[in-house]
Amino acid sequence: AQSVTQLGSHVSVSEGALVLLRCNYSSSVPPYLFWYVQYPNQGLQLLLKYTSAATLVKGINGFEAEFKKSETSFHLTKPSAHMSDAAEYFCAVTLTGGGNKLTFGTGTQLKVEL
Amino acid sequence: NAGVTQTPKFRVLKTGQSMTLLCAQDMNHEYMYWYRQDPGMGLRLIHYSVGEGTTAKGEVPDGYNVSRLKKQNFLLGLESAAPSQTSVYFCASSFTIGGASYEQYFGPGTRLTVT
Repeated sequence: AQSVTQLGSHVSVSEGALVLLRCNYSSSVPPYLFWYVQYPNQGLQLLLKYTSAATLVKGINGFEAEFKKSETSFHLTKPSAHMSDAAEYFCAVTLTGGGNKLTFGTGTQLKVEL
Repeated sequence: NAGVTQTPKFRVLKTGQSMTLLCAQDMNHEYMYWYRQDPGMGLRLIHYSVGEGTTAKGEVPDGYNVSRLKKQNFLLGLESAAPSQTSVYFCASSFTIGGASYEQYFGPGTRLTVT
């Protein structure tokens, strides 16, 4: 069985500062990993995904994440936060086959301050 | 191309009432899912389907039933609503090519309140 842990349910950064949202996974086989973003009163939108190709993955809106097998991590980063990045971010894991079922972390609410 | 749509967007039910949530996708995806989202708990899988006419239980299936009579539609039913089913419900769809896993596409959600 797979699981995901997101450290920090709330993260606050200043506009222009580095954004770092943490995600650690547990999986008995190589996983596929995803980051989704949810803006208020909306559904989830895919930010980026790791599917066993390049370990450094670039996504939309300037976000990227690095898959580190030795640390079982898939942290999300953005060099310079913008006010429009304020949202909730979810890390998720799935395994090949099995209907693409996703296991989500509990989410991290990102606040961006002036 | 509407993607994944959900009907209704909002609903208030009294305890014991029943209702059906409708999810439709126009991307010809094989897989469809129903999740519930509660504060501090992320999204939890209720039921899912890997093809027309098939359904399977997810993490929190009790109190819900589903049907996938047509490939593009996935219905979630509450037979006797309880206050614990107050939540935001999301539908999603996905596909696979050669056994590889791909991302899920989400609908806008249905906010359900049970009083």
